[in-house]
Amino acid sequence: DSGVTQTPKHLITATGQRVTLRCSPRSGDLSVYWYQQSLDQGLQFLIQYYNGEERAKGNILERFSAQQFPDLHSELNLSSLELGDSALYFCASSPQGSEAFFGQGTRLTVV
Amino acid sequence: LAKTTQPISMDSYEGQEVNITCSHNNIATNDYITWYQQFPSQGPRFIIQGYKTKVTNEVASLFIPADRKSSTLSLPRVSLSDTAVYYCLVAPRPGTASKLTFGTGTRLQVTL
Repeated sequence: DSGVTQTPKHLITATGQRVTLRCSPRSGDLSVYWYQQSLDQGLQFLIQYYNGEERAKGNILERFSAQQFPDLHSELNLSSLELGDSALYFCASSPQGSEAFFGQGTRLTVV
Repeated sequence: LAKTTQPISMDSYEGQEVNITCSHNNIATNDYITWYQQFPSQGPRFIIQGYKTKVTNEVASLFIPADRKSSTLSLPRVSLSDTAVYYCLVAPRPGTASKLTFGTGTRLQVTL
């Protein structure tokens, strides 16, 4: 158990809908990272937050947005969902100057 | 960010030592080298991190030559449960503004 909690574990929704994925980082970790992993594909970096502020951005679609709250949990919002958005979405957290700890992911299926 | 190049796949027999090499010719002075392991449908798991020379922990060793343009992850006496994808990352330590960009990884298959 990495200490990073992601909810929900599974999510099935229809095209055009909007969903919110939640990540609770390890206690005290200030950085949160979001990744997308499609079937048999690599991990695509989406975005990083550090203590509530956006720090780094990857190839995140405009339909996707994220935020980190004062209690350090983070949410990834995916809107106008398309079939191609079906993937595993991972959250990771890290304290300053250490390795990243990944959650077990949310499997999103868009039908 | 430094781009990394790893073999796409490797095969090994149980009990053998496995060495996976990663090339990172454009590594920056403040970059660290980190290796992760990922099983299907699970989040990556940190294996080892280093800056230079050799680092060893209970599961692996990491060898980094003086020019730091490559690194080798060494897994001693692999077992079937080591079958996974192994990623090499080069970036400033997490917690700073770093994208932690994963490459394609090396798919290790261990058989009897």
